[in-house]
Parts: sequence; structure tokens; C-alpha cells
Amino acid sequence: GAVVSQHPSRVICKSGTSVKIECRSLDFQATTMFWYRQFPKKSLMLMATSNEGSKATYEQGVEKDKFLINHASLTLSTLTVTSAHPEDSSFYICSFARQGTYEQYFGPGTRLTVT
Amino acid sequence: GIQVEQSPPDLILQEGANSTLRCNFSDSVNNLQWFHQNPWGQLINLFYIPSGTKQNGRLSATTVATERYSLLYISSSQTTDSGVYFCAVSNDYKLSFGAGTTVTVRA
Repeated sequence: GAVVSQHPSRVICKSGTSVKIECRSLDFQATTMFWYRQFPKKSLMLMATSNEGSKATYEQGVEKDKFLINHASLTLSTLTVTSAHPEDSSFYICSFARQGTYEQYFGPGTRLTVT
Repeated sequence: GIQVEQSPPDLILQEGANSTLRCNFSDSVNNLQWFHQNPWGQLINLFYIPSGTKQNGRLSATTVATERYSLLYISSSQTTDSGVYFCAVSNDYKLSFGAGTTVTVRA
């Protein structure tokens, strides 16, 4: 149990376009989910936290208008990178906290390259 | 946020060797997780261990919450154990990650 899928696994887009990343918990329901980004050879940095049906809470320094999060249901969340620029190129990873526990389960990640 | 320090930053092992990875944290926690990040970037849950000791095959972990540290033991290491090991902690839902330990196991 506790499987999280993320789609796409890899995307290349042109500067100025928008990209949507989808994250699903496949076999459990979660009220809270998280988006992280990771630069090469670096650790994960939390971008935002969201609860189902509520607006996301963004970490300091993360632009909410650039990184749009929609937590549509107990099993689905999306991250849209709007007007992407080369500096947005990164590895984006989602996670869910299973209901009733603090333990988080992570998706396989999406590697975004903006040209 | 909670500060997390992992040591050593890099570890090179000969296949079959044992090793210990350490995670120190700066505040009390209700969540501590150990992960293995494989070469494709997937974070694999190893242990959810805010306190106590757990074992899973060749891996085991111990968290001493009162002294704010956790240890991950790898026994009889294999080449497939190579990768980055992360410790992450929280006292709410937000995980703070350490910088990781890069483990290389040589055949």
C-alpha cells in the first residue's frame, strides 16, 4: 500500500509556457499533501502544503502566482508552473500524508527542463 | 524550522561491509523518516521512526528522541544499496530534510 504516482515523469517546455504536473495517491486517502523541489545534488525543499478543498500554504520565497496548486480531491493534486523560465528547471516531487499518521509517501518525481 | 544534520556526507563501502549513518536534529519531533533516493530520483521509505528501534532485513534504525538523534545501520552492504540516504523530521506535518549521505558500495 501507500503508492503515489506522478505524471509526467519528464517534461521539456519552452520558456513562457505553462506546465501541469499531476500527483495521485493510488491506494489511500490523504487530507494533506506537499510539493517539493530538488536541485541537482541538493536536498529537498518544501514549496507548499495543501489540504483537500483549501488553498495551499506556500513557504517563504515561493511565488504562489507562479506555482499554482490545486488539491482537487483526497487522492489528486496538481502543480502548475506558469510562464516557466529556465531557472524553474528542477526536479519536482509530491508527497501525501496518510490520514491518521504523520508519515509521508512520495511520488517518483517530475524532471522539468525549460529551454 | 528544525535543523537537520546528517553525517557523514559521503561514504564509500566495500560490498559486504557494515555502516552507520547519523542524523542529528535541533528540536523535538513527532515524525522522523529515513529515505533512500534511487538513481532515478524516487524516494523510497525505509523507516518511519520518531522513537525506538526498527529492523527491516539488512537495515535497522534507532531514534533516541530525548537526545535528538537517529542512526541508520546498513549491514552486509550490497551494490544496490548505493544512493543518497535522507533523514527528514517534523514537529507538525512539514518535513525538514537533511543534506543526505551519499553511499557508494563497490563490488
